[in-house]
Amino acid sequence: SAVISQKPSRDICQRGTSLTIQCQVDSQVTMMFWYRQQPGQSLTLIATANQGSEATYESGFVIDKFPISRPNLTFSTLTVSNMSPEDSSIYLCSVGGTGITEAFFGQGTRLTVV
Amino acid sequence: AQKVTQAQTEISVVEKEDVTLDCVYETRDTTYYLFWYKQPPSGELVFLIRRNSFDEQNEISGRYSWNFQKSTSSFNFTITASQVVDSAVYFCALKGYSSASKIIFGSGTRLSIRP
Repeated sequence: SAVISQKPSRDICQRGTSLTIQCQVDSQVTMMFWYRQQPGQSLTLIATANQGSEATYESGFVIDKFPISRPNLTFSTLTVSNMSPEDSSIYLCSVGGTGITEAFFGQGTRLTVV
Repeated sequence: AQKVTQAQTEISVVEKEDVTLDCVYETRDTTYYLFWYKQPPSGELVFLIRRNSFDEQNEISGRYSWNFQKSTSSFNFTITASQVVDSAVYFCALKGYSSASKIIFGSGTRLSIRP
């Protein structure tokens, strides 16, 4: 199983600013996924990040708001741009790809926008 | 379309009682994975179990057991002799067999164990 580390674990940010969340995996993986969990809600997939290509966004999520980088097979970042209080959520990353059937997640980033 | 339904929004039981969390899923895939996760107040998502669609054997791990019934598209989770530390939100999830498939989560069940 892959070990996934996320940074920061939590942050309090001012509205209008941006926060970049990092996700590091201890092995090479084909796919990395970013999820959002709004307070009291379930997890919703934001986008899928493949190395060497543009991220694929789910309906309701756009690149301008949630730009994603995937510079190599072990690392990805998600930026939450121009934040508003509605962006207050837990953001989690996960990994997938050939041979990876367990769905493990990073410890999450708890974001509060004030 | 894929869908996971956890009809129980909240459950509260007294410590040492047994409790079952229900999960019903919908999928057109013939092969798929089912998962259960635990999310304590800290927010991390703790993986509990993965079940392949072609393996209908029930599984037991300590006080936890899972009942997979393909005929009724259900994957229920039972905690025996519950403890206060079991208090958390539990999510059931579904994923297609393809490595490109995304995980579909249920809405979660908040379990509170009272001392």
